[in-house]
Amino acid sequence: GDSVTQMEGPVTLSEEAFLTINCTYTATGYPSLFWYVQYPGEGLQLLLKATKADDKGSNKGFEATYRKETTSFHLEKGSVQVSDSAVYFCALSSNTDKLIFGTGTRLQVFP
Amino acid sequence: EPEVTQTPSHQVTQMGQEVILRCVPISNHLYFYWYRQILGQKVEFLVSFYNNEISEKSEIFDDQFSVERPDGSNFTLKIRSTKLEDSAMYFCASRPWGLAGGTDTQYFGPGTRLTVL
Repeated sequence: GDSVTQMEGPVTLSEEAFLTINCTYTATGYPSLFWYVQYPGEGLQLLLKATKADDKGSNKGFEATYRKETTSFHLEKGSVQVSDSAVYFCALSSNTDKLIFGTGTRLQVFP
Repeated sequence: EPEVTQTPSHQVTQMGQEVILRCVPISNHLYFYWYRQILGQKVEFLVSFYNNEISEKSEIFDDQFSVERPDGSNFTLKIRSTKLEDSAMYFCASRPWGLAGGTDTQYFGPGTRLTVL
């Protein structure tokens, strides 16, 4: 069945460092891909999405490109801030409506 | 900005008791979902609901679970006889009308933490 694999955390960075969180997927058909973020004590918020191959989603300085050839949707940010500390979830939605999530990656940014 | 709300934020119950988790989706949304996240594990799909009926359910969503949209605004998840392993964070989500197949964004509530003792 469809699945999402994320790099394990926590990822610990200093402020202004470059961030990459890897995400790869297995799916039949042509899934849509999402990154959700969960700040401490809050629910899941959509960070960005891409609905077809080669699309780039971007928001708040974060970017991810839908790479069909490598079945990947890696999340990147050029310069992280302390306020970016959160848990990041990669997810896909394929032929059905449900979201299939990865295990989540905790990001900790220190000043 | 409209948002999905959930009540209560934390529910503690005894094993074998019934619980009802409540959600108010965004008002013009037509598709509704429940997910759960056991501590330290991934977020898992439970059920989707459209046009007053279940569209899809996971193998987790057995006969102990039910969903209802009783009054056109609330969307509830009932667990008839709770087990210890039902302890988790339960998230409600909704999305507006759109094409099937998941290109549209699902908007999540803050979650209800259910603790079964």
